[in-house]
Amino acid sequence: GAVVSQHPSRVICKSGTSVKIECRSLDFQATTMFWYRQFPKQSLMLMATSNEGSKATYEQGVEKDKFLINHASLTLSTLTVTSAHPEDSSFYICSARDRVGNTEAFFGQGTRLTVV
Amino acid sequence: AQSVTQLGSHVSVSEGALVLLRCNYSSSVPPYLFWYVQYPNQGLQLLLKYTTGATLVKGINGFEAEFKKSETSFHLTKPSAHMSDAAEYFCAVSGSGNTPLVFGKGTRLSVIA
Repeated sequence: GAVVSQHPSRVICKSGTSVKIECRSLDFQATTMFWYRQFPKQSLMLMATSNEGSKATYEQGVEKDKFLINHASLTLSTLTVTSAHPEDSSFYICSARDRVGNTEAFFGQGTRLTVV
Repeated sequence: AQSVTQLGSHVSVSEGALVLLRCNYSSSVPPYLFWYVQYPNQGLQLLLKYTTGATLVKGINGFEAEFKKSETSFHLTKPSAHMSDAAEYFCAVSGSGNTPLVFGKGTRLSVIA
């Protein structure tokens, strides 16, 4: 089946710095990718929809200037957490639908971000 | 708009007993329904999905779910629980097309020896 690779799996950064998370579709092209955030013991909340070659669409309450999304190619989307603070510590997961029929969603392994 | 309600944030069963995790959905379009399992600090693993066709769907690790349109439900079952089934389970809904999945709050399954 299709694979979505997310990197890094874990990152620790200092407060005030920026962190970039990459999401790659390895064997299919994804015109759209989705970024989710998961707090401990909670569900996945959609943050934004990343569209190749155009601006991302953010969900209500998500700061687009803090969470920068770039979808530069059909196989790569990046999420940059800018000026990170401890409250940004969370588990971030990307996802992409298959192009034929959209009957499945593939998820990256997730990135555990800890801001100290 | 779509939403998912998972009844019971925590379910505890004995090893060998029936597992039943409940999921009800709301969707204004024909739904695609999914069950995922998540182990601590890991990503999501697809257990099974319903898109069209047969309403009883069989997945991996002995799990199955039945789509009941009249009840707007997609409950997950397994005849005999195993210790390795202890994890967090998420039900999700989407429409057709390139749309995101909407997740329920999750149900933590504990299996008691």
